[in-house]
Amino acid sequence: GESVGLHLPTLSVQEGDNSIINCAYSNSASDYFIWYKQESGKGPQFIIDIRSNMDKRQGQRVTVLLNKTVKHHSLQIAATQPGDSAVYFCAEEFGNEKLTFGTGTRLTIIP
Amino acid sequence: DAGITQSPRHKVTETGTPVTLRCHQTENHRYMYWYRQDPGHGLRLIHYSYGVKDTDKGEVSDGYSVSRSKTEDFLLTLESATSSQTSVYFCAIKPRSGNTIYFGEGSWLTVV
Repeated sequence: GESVGLHLPTLSVQEGDNSIINCAYSNSASDYFIWYKQESGKGPQFIIDIRSNMDKRQGQRVTVLLNKTVKHHSLQIAATQPGDSAVYFCAEEFGNEKLTFGTGTRLTIIP
Repeated sequence: DAGITQSPRHKVTETGTPVTLRCHQTENHRYMYWYRQDPGHGLRLIHYSYGVKDTDKGEVSDGYSVSRSKTEDFLLTLESATSSQTSVYFCAIKPRSGNTIYFGEGSWLTVV
């Protein structure tokens, strides 16, 4: 099957700094990409998504950038806060089929 | 809040016993999913349903069965639990519009 990978399994960022979590995907036909945040003991929580006809999408303090040329997307979190500490998952989908998830990156915010 | 309730939230069972996990939703969503989450593997799809009595296998369906006799309930059954099925199980739904799926809070299953 298709693989979805993250470049870094762990990431530590100083509080107030910006963080970037990267995700590579292998299926060039994937047309939907999504990010989830998972706090300890809880289910994954939707953060933001983007379709392949876009390069960038912004939410509240979060931005997703999509680079189809290199099959890569990234989640940027601005002005990180202690509550941003969590595991972040990327996922991809092709043609409204099932989502394929990456293994996750643990983000730790250092006070 | 995706309107999903999973039960039980925590269970310890013995190898060889049957186990059923229940996912209940209150918003008439057509698509429902069962995932398992294990360290190093992320979220893997076990089974999903696209309507009452309409189900299909995911990538890790061996050892699991599902049933959906009514829209609001999606049951995951381990006919004879094994230690390899110790995991966290998440139910998810997809609203009728859009691609985003939303997860429940999880069911922690330990098979001893």
